[in-house]
Amino acid sequence: DQQVKQNSPSLSVQEGRISILNCDYTNSMFDYFLWYKKYPAEGPTFLISISSIKDKNEDGRFTVFLNKSAKHLSLHIVPSQPGDSAVYFCAASKLGGNQFYFGTGTSLTVIP
Amino acid sequence: DAGVIQSPRHEVTEMGQEVTLRCKPISGHNSLFWYRQTMMRGLELLIYFNNNVPIDDSGMPEDRFSAKMPNASFSTLKIQPSEPRDSAVYFCASSLLGDVEQYFGPGTRLTVT
Repeated sequence: DQQVKQNSPSLSVQEGRISILNCDYTNSMFDYFLWYKKYPAEGPTFLISISSIKDKNEDGRFTVFLNKSAKHLSLHIVPSQPGDSAVYFCAASKLGGNQFYFGTGTSLTVIP
Repeated sequence: DAGVIQSPRHEVTEMGQEVTLRCKPISGHNSLFWYRQTMMRGLELLIYFNNNVPIDDSGMPEDRFSAKMPNASFSTLKIQPSEPRDSAVYFCASSLLGDVEQYFGPGTRLTVT
């Protein structure tokens, strides 16, 4: 039923180290993927995206990797900072489509 | 721009009461989305509109839920009658039609007792 899965509800990382957040999807028709970041009492905000024609997209400290054969993507944050502590949602869609399917989120805590 | 505006930010109501959540999208955006966030299911899309027309409401859980978008700058999500299991955070988001990035409002935390 859940087409996008984030199996780790929480993750704790020391400041300066790498944070790796994982996401799996089941629908092979998905060809566009996004990560959103959410602070408490705020709405999610767009972080980074990747289309299925790529296997990597980088934006500063944030890199998203896509493994289409495994239907898996991951978000790497290097180096992690305390301000990165938030809930991260993975989302998937068909390119050009309006409908996004979100995961349940992973709560990241970066320890100073 | 002020971003997506939602009201109220918090709503506490008793079971059986009608609840109306409101959303003002970003000016110029022509797609609007209603989501519900729960611990078990994460962010679920309830319904979305393109150019004020409902496109897909398959995520609306029951007939108790209804949504309208009478014009480009306003949308409502109504629950009648409300039940305790409706307690969740409800988000509204808007985007340009076909654009992949959606802009979310701050959410309405609904508690039904």
